[in-house]
Parts: sequence; structure tokens; C-alpha cells
Amino acid sequence: DVKVTQSSRYLVKRTGEKVFLECVQDMDHENMFWYRQDPGLGLRLIYFSYDVKMKEKGDIPEGYSVSREKKERFSLILESASTNQTSMYLCASSSTGVTDTQYFGPGTRLTVL
Amino acid sequence: GENVEQHPSTLSVQEGDSAVIKCTYSDSASNYFPWYKQELGKRPQLIIDIRSNVGEKKDQRIAVTLNKTAKHFSLHITETQPEDSAVYFCAAQAGGGFKTIFGAGTRLFVKA
Repeated sequence: DVKVTQSSRYLVKRTGEKVFLECVQDMDHENMFWYRQDPGLGLRLIYFSYDVKMKEKGDIPEGYSVSREKKERFSLILESASTNQTSMYLCASSSTGVTDTQYFGPGTRLTVL
Repeated sequence: GENVEQHPSTLSVQEGDSAVIKCTYSDSASNYFPWYKQELGKRPQLIIDIRSNVGEKKDQRIAVTLNKTAKHFSLHITETQPEDSAVYFCAAQAGGGFKTIFGAGTRLFVKA
């Protein structure tokens, strides 16, 4: 069974704080993704990574950065959190060449006050 | 840029009826079309998928159809049950698994 875990289910931060969201997968997947989920907007891709130390911008990268130092771990960083970054953040992973299915983590609900 | 449009945004059906959710995509390079179900408070999970070389795929009460010429694909759920109540997302992906574009989601209510 593929397991994707995220460091927190709920997080409350203040405007201007630096925020780290961590995601870990245990299936040796090459690809990892960060999405944010907002009502009526579906899942929007922030960043993805197809290999260690590789990253590509998604559709809404502004205000975010990522880090992938190890294959199993993909971190999302909010350098200076703002209230419009209040959202549900979902991490996912997939394997190249075997199946394109993305496996999602449980999500982190981030509130920025 | 690429996008996926999904309709309707909300769908309410009586238990036992059928439900149909429709999506259109813009990127003609898309060749993989997964559908995810997200129950309240839970993570999205794949329920069915279809690749561009197939026109239809069925798995028990759910089926997906694909019209590549028209860039349409649809999810069909027959004999709906209350546990089918969830948000359903369609998605389109070009080869390589790198970037998946999701629709905005359809909230399905199945009334008992």
C-alpha cells in the first residue's frame, strides 16, 4: 500500500512567519507534487519534482518554494506567510513509467492569521 | 494555458438513479484521464482512469467514456448509493506523469 504522509493535519501561523510543510512517501516514487485546494477551484499545482534536487513550477508558484533533498521527502516553504495562503495543502506522489496514478497525502489545513 | 472544465459543480440524485459528470480538456497532448473521489475530510483517491487509446472503461457501477476528437470525457455512476456522496475530480495529463490538470470538482449528493 502506498503511503504518503504530511507533517501536520492542521496548522495556524501568523502573517509574515516562515512555514514549512513536509511530505514523505514510502514507495520510491520519482515524482512528487504540492497542490492547494480551495472551494470551487479544484486542485491547483504549486510545484512538482521529478527527481531529487529537481523542481518545476506549477500553475501558482508565487509566494512558495520547495525543496527535495531526498527522494522520499518533498517540502513546501512559505517564506513569508500571507492571509491569502490560507488553504488546504495536498501532497502527492507518482511513479514514472509504471502508472501515472497520483497518491495523495491526508492534507494540511493551513490558517494564516 | 491548459485547462480542464468540469460540469456540473453540484449534482443531487436519488438513491438508485444514475449520475453523470462531464469534463472537457484543452491540451491535445493529454493521453491519461484519471478520476478521483474525495470524501469529506479525506484525501482524493483514484476510482477509475482511462488512456487515450481506449474509448470506454467500466468497473462495476462506474464507467468512463472518452471522445478524443471532441476532447470530452465523462464519468457515469449507475445505481447510486449514499456512500457515493463525495466530491469527484476529473483530470487530464500529458505523457510522463509530470503535470496533471484537475477540474474544479463536482459535489455529488445521493439522497436516500
